Amino acid sequence: GDSVTQMEGPVTLSEEAFLTINCTYTATGYPSLFWYVQYPGEGLQLLLKATKADDKGSNKGFEATYRKETTSFHLEKGSVQVSDSAVYFCALSPVSGGSNYKLTFGKGTLLTVNP
Amino acid sequence: DAGVIQSPRHEVTEMGQEVTLRCKPISGHDYLFWYRQTMMRGLELLIYFNNNVPIDDSGMPEDRFSAKMPNASFSTLKIQPSEPRDSAVYFCASKGGGNEKLFFGSGTQLSVL
Repeated sequence: GDSVTQMEGPVTLSEEAFLTINCTYTATGYPSLFWYVQYPGEGLQLLLKATKADDKGSNKGFEATYRKETTSFHLEKGSVQVSDSAVYFCALSPVSGGSNYKLTFGKGTLLTVNP
Repeated sequence: DAGVIQSPRHEVTEMGQEVTLRCKPISGHDYLFWYRQTMMRGLELLIYFNNNVPIDDSGMPEDRFSAKMPNASFSTLKIQPSEPRDSAVYFCASKGGGNEKLFFGSGTQLSVL
């Protein structure tokens, strides 16, 4: 079945450091890929998405590129802030534009950014 | 819109008791999802509905768990009887047809003693 594997945390960085959180997936067909973020005490929020190979999703300075050849969707940010401290989840939806919907999440990566 | 609303925010109960979690999706959304989050297993999909009809309940752990959606604006997740291993954060999420973005509620922190 479909699965998502992301790097285990926690990740601790200093403010303005470069961030990479690795994510790889296993799925049949052409899934859509997502990064969700969960701030303390809150539900998950969509951060960015990509629906086809070579698409780049971006939001709030975060980027991720859909790489079908390596089945990856790594999250990057050039300069993190303390306010970026949260748990980040990589996820996939099995078929882009399909009528059924079942989002599969990775286990999440805790990011802590120190001032 | 107020977003997805879940209640209660926190629930503490004793083993063997019945627990009911509630969710109000965003108006107009036709998909509703129940997820469970634990440190060990991460975020697991329990069940999801489309137009109030359960589509996939393969993630429901066992018969002690049941979910209903009597109308487009309300859903419940019930655990009877509850066990300590059910302790987790339970999230409800909804989405509007054609848009893949999920909107999550703030979750219910369940502790079964």
